Amino acid sequence: EAGVTQFPSHSVIEKGQTVTLRCDPISGHDNLYWYRRVMGKEIKFLLHFVKESKQDESGMPNNRFLAERTGGTYSTLKVQPAELEDSGVYFCASSQRVLAGVIGELFFGEGSRLTVL
Amino acid sequence: ELKVEQNPLFLSMQEGKNYTIYCNYSTTSDRLYWYRQDPGKSLESLFVLLSNGAVKQEGRLMASLDTKARLSTLHITAAVHDLSATYFCAVDIDSNYQLIWGAGTKLIIKP
Repeated sequence: EAGVTQFPSHSVIEKGQTVTLRCDPISGHDNLYWYRRVMGKEIKFLLHFVKESKQDESGMPNNRFLAERTGGTYSTLKVQPAELEDSGVYFCASSQRVLAGVIGELFFGEGSRLTVL
Repeated sequence: ELKVEQNPLFLSMQEGKNYTIYCNYSTTSDRLYWYRQDPGKSLESLFVLLSNGAVKQEGRLMASLDTKARLSTLHITAAVHDLSATYFCAVDIDSNYQLIWGAGTKLIIKP
C-alpha cells in the first residue's frame, strides 16, 4: 500500500513567486494534516482536514497560505506570494478515524523542502 | 505559551553506550509521541504514551512518561549505528494531532 506522498520534494523559488505543494494521503484516510519546520525551529502544526472540510486551521501563519482538499482526497498548500521566512520543510500526514472521536496512527510523508531566495 | 523542550539537541556517542533523551512539556496532555526521522525521510512513529507511568519498549529503545513531572524520556540501551537519526517528541493537547513539537535531538552513533 502506498504511503503518504508529497510533491515536489524540493522547490526553489524567488521571493514574491507562488508555489503549490501537493499531498496525497493514504487511501481511505479522512484526516489530513499539514505541518512545517522552518530552519532551526520546531515543527509547527498548520492545519487539519477531515475529508474536504477544514477542521482546524489555527496554525496557518497568514493569508498568504491557502490549503485545499477538494473531494476529500489529495490536498494542496499554496503560498502566494512567498517570502523568505516561508523557507522550510512542509510535512503532510494522514490518519484514519478508527472509532467515533478516535483517530488512528499518524503517517507522514517525506516532506516538501521549500527554499525562497 | 505551550512549550516542549528536548535535550540534548545534539548527541554523539559510541556504539555500545547507553543514553537518555529528555522531553519536558509545559501543559497537561492527553498523549505524548516519540518520532524518528532519518535524513530526507518521513517521520516514523516510535511510541505513543497515554498515561502516567507508561513505559514502552522496542528493541534498544525505551520510552517512559511521568505526567506529574511533565517529563518523558527516551532511553537508548547499547546503542548501535543504525539508531543514528533525529528523534522528536511531541505532545498532543486535544487528542486531535494538533501536536506541539520538541526541537528534535540529532543522534549520531559512531561505530
